[in-house]
Amino acid sequence: QQPVQSPQAVILREGEDAVINCSSSKALYSVHWYRQKHGEAPVFLMILLKGGEQKGHEKISASFNEKKQQSSLYLTASQLSYSGTYFCGTNLFTTSGTYKYIFGTGTRLKVLA
Amino acid sequence: GAVVSQHPSRVICKSGTSVKIECRSLDFQATTMFWYRQFPKQSLMLMATSNEGSKATYEQGVEKDKFLINHASLTLSTLTVTSAHPEDSSFYICSARVGGTGTDTQYFGPGTRLTVL
Repeated sequence: QQPVQSPQAVILREGEDAVINCSSSKALYSVHWYRQKHGEAPVFLMILLKGGEQKGHEKISASFNEKKQQSSLYLTASQLSYSGTYFCGTNLFTTSGTYKYIFGTGTRLKVLA
Repeated sequence: GAVVSQHPSRVICKSGTSVKIECRSLDFQATTMFWYRQFPKQSLMLMATSNEGSKATYEQGVEKDKFLINHASLTLSTLTVTSAHPEDSSFYICSARVGGTGTDTQYFGPGTRLTVL
C-alpha cells in the first residue's frame, strides 16, 4: 500500500538537478511532498490536488499524474540546504470508508559543495 | 497557520516502564489524528488512526495493548507506550487533520524521540 519512491538515494553536486518519483498502486486523490532533516519532523513543501497539476516552490516544483497514480518532484539548481530525505504523502481510502494518511518509502538526497 | 505540538520532545526511560506522549492541535479542532513511528533511515510508518470519542484504528502488526491511544477531545490525543522495551526506541510523530476527504492536509507535530534503556 505504501507509495514507492525512486531513487532511494541520490547524491548531487551543488547546482545540479534531480527528479524524485512517487508511484502508488492505489488511486491518488492528492499528493503532498515533504523534506525531513535528520532528527526533525517532516516539513511540508507543497500539495497537488488535481491530476496533471504542477506546482512550484522557488526552485522546487512537482507534477501529479492522476491516471498513472504518480507524482514527481523536481529540484533544479540544487543548493546545500536541499539535503535531506524527501517523502511523498497521500490520503489512502480505506475499506471502512475513511481516509488514512501514509508516506512513501522516502528518497535520501545529499547535495555536495 | 495550524500548529500541532507534542510533549515531551525527548524522553529516556528504563525498560518496563510506560511512557505517555501528548499531541495537541493548538489553534484548530482536529477530527482525526494519526500516530507514526520512524526508525533510523526508514520512512514514517502509520501506527494508528485516532478519532475523537471512538476507538483508534490500528495498522496491521501494531499491538493495540502495547500502544494505547486515547483521543479524549478534538484537540488532544495521547499515545502510551506500555512496558517499553529497547526495540520501542524510535521517533514518534503525530499529525492532525481537519475534515475527512482525500484532499485534506495534515499538520505534523515536531516529534518525540523515545529511548528505552
